[in-house]
Amino acid sequence: AQKVTQAQTEISVVEKEDVTLDCVYETRDTTYYLFWYKQPPSGELVFLIRRNSFDEQNEISGRYSWNFQKSTSSFNFTITASQVVDSAVYFCALTNAGGTSYGKLTFGQGTILTVHP
Amino acid sequence: EAQVTQNPRYLITVTGKKLTVTCSQNMNHEYMSWYRQDPGLGLRQIYYSMNVEVTDKGDVPEGYKVSRKEKRNFPLILESPSPNQTSLYFCASSLCSGTERAGDSYNEQFFGPGTRLTVL
Repeated sequence: AQKVTQAQTEISVVEKEDVTLDCVYETRDTTYYLFWYKQPPSGELVFLIRRNSFDEQNEISGRYSWNFQKSTSSFNFTITASQVVDSAVYFCALTNAGGTSYGKLTFGQGTILTVHP
Repeated sequence: EAQVTQNPRYLITVTGKKLTVTCSQNMNHEYMSWYRQDPGLGLRQIYYSMNVEVTDKGDVPEGYKVSRKEKRNFPLILESPSPNQTSLYFCASSLCSGTERAGDSYNEQFFGPGTRLTVL
């Protein structure tokens, strides 16, 4: 069985603050993929990043960065110098790359981020 | 434009009245999936399909049916809807390239705009 936990239900910050969204996962497979999606107030789901289990390099994309640590089964997401437009629900997700659960995508409960001006 | 479309976007119905939510993608993706989103529970997978005529249960398949007769379409069928199926539904598709043996890649899913269903 696979599981994704986003312990932070809601986070509220003031613009320009840095904020980290936590994601902890559980899986028995050695090959898996992790994702982050953003859901702005308009409701659509926007893909942000994919990471496979063999690649533990951290990634930076503009103000966004991701820290993947297999030792702690975490895939945390940091927004630097947050902006009001970052206000959204953020989801972490996991899928195994093979076996009987191939194709099953498990999402965390989501973290509601509110950035105040 | 590459996209996943769902219809209808909004639907209010009554208990027991069969309904179908359509999903179509124009990206020639092999993989398609349905999710429901409920407050505090995130997105939960209902059914998924790896290719035409291949479907599998997700985490919450009870009360739903799907079919995959064509690559582009993946309708979600509620034979006898109940109020606990009131939810926001998303269809998604992705390109499946490779297998576990090939060691490659599970690609990101492209989501439709969502269908808000209310069952009275």
